[in-house]
Amino acid sequence: AQSVAQPEDQVNVAEGNPLTVKCTYSVSGNPYLFWYVQYPNRGLQFLLKYITGDNLVKGSYGFEAEFNKSQTSFHLKKPSALVSDSALYFCAVRDIRDSSYKLIFGSGTRLLVRP
Amino acid sequence: SQTIHQWPATLVQPVGSPLSLECTVEGTSNPNLYWYRQAAGRGLQLLFYSVGIGQISSEVPQNLSASRPQDRQFILSSKKLLLSDSGFYLCAWSDIASPQETQYFGPGTRLLVL
Repeated sequence: AQSVAQPEDQVNVAEGNPLTVKCTYSVSGNPYLFWYVQYPNRGLQFLLKYITGDNLVKGSYGFEAEFNKSQTSFHLKKPSALVSDSALYFCAVRDIRDSSYKLIFGSGTRLLVRP
Repeated sequence: SQTIHQWPATLVQPVGSPLSLECTVEGTSNPNLYWYRQAAGRGLQLLFYSVGIGQISSEVPQNLSASRPQDRQFILSSKKLLLSDSGFYLCAWSDIASPQETQYFGPGTRLLVL
């Protein structure tokens, strides 16, 4: 069965410092991996995805994520955090062999960036 | 470009009343469509998905149903709401022709059942 784990309920960083939001996954085959961000009372916004190729994926708003197959991880990173990055972040996975098109989401990590 | 709409944005309904939430997608054809529920501002639970008109797959047994009367319209319904139906309902679409099949989300409907 597919699953996603986001081990941290909340991540606190100071503005200007680098940030990391962790994600590990489990699928039977090869994964498609996604990161989404949600601001209060809003829908999810797509940030970036890993399909194949370069393990370092760059996305919107200066975010990037690194796919590590041996550690089954897809951590979200940003070199310098902004207060406006404070939001709820979701990691999601799909097994590329799964014909149901369903994404499995993690439980979310709240990012709080202090001024 | 593609856009996804949901309405209403917020809804307060008494227990036992019916429900109809609507989702429409513009700028694409034959999308995959999804309904999610988000409780307490955290995890997303997939409720239904549809790969075509009249084709609905249910993920969890519940008090809700879904229909897809038109290619780009997805409706979430209930005959009698329960308190536990309260939550934030999100509709999403993906392009079946795209191998990456990124899901794009609507703005959501916040439902409060009293």
